[in-house]
Amino acid sequence: GDSVTQMEGPVTLSEEAFLTINCTYTATGYPSLFWYVQYPGEGLQLLLKATKADDKGSNKGFEATYRKETTSFHLEKGSVQVSDSAVYFCALSGYNQGGKLIFGQGTELSVKP
Amino acid sequence: EPEVTQTPSHQVTQMGQEVILRCVPISNHLYFYWYRQILGQKVEFLVSFYNNEISEKSEIFDDQFSVERPDGSNFTLKIRSTKLEDSAMYFCACSLSAGGGMPKNIQYFGAGTRLSVL
Repeated sequence: GDSVTQMEGPVTLSEEAFLTINCTYTATGYPSLFWYVQYPGEGLQLLLKATKADDKGSNKGFEATYRKETTSFHLEKGSVQVSDSAVYFCALSGYNQGGKLIFGQGTELSVKP
Repeated sequence: EPEVTQTPSHQVTQMGQEVILRCVPISNHLYFYWYRQILGQKVEFLVSFYNNEISEKSEIFDDQFSVERPDGSNFTLKIRSTKLEDSAMYFCACSLSAGGGMPKNIQYFGAGTRLSVL
């Protein structure tokens, strides 16, 4: 079945460092891909999405490109801030599969001043 | 901004007891979901609900689980006889309709209910 694999955490960075969180997926057809973020004590919030190959999702300085050839959707940010400390989840929604999301295991990011 | 509200934030129960987790989705959203996350593991899909019936359920969603939309605003998950392994964070989510009987692909999540079964 469909699945998502994320890099293990926790990831600890200094403020203004470059961030990459790797995400790869296995799916039949053409899934939509998402990054969700969970700040402490809050629910999952959609960070960005891409619905077809070569689409780039972006929001709040974060970017991810839907790469069908490598089945990847890596999250990047050029300069992280302390306020970016959170857990990041990569997820997919299969085409015409009623909307259920399949998540990766989450990657905890801690940014130190 | 509209939000999904889940209550309680933390529920402690004894093994074998029934629990009801409550969610108030965003009004005018038509698709509803429950997910759970056991500590240290992935967020897992449990069930989707549309038009007053279950659209899809996972293997986890066995006879001990049920969902209901008892009125126009609440969406509940009931666990009939809790087990230790039901201890997890439970998330409710909802989405708008994209038309043609399909949801839009953006889901909005609540903050979750942490269920502790002792």
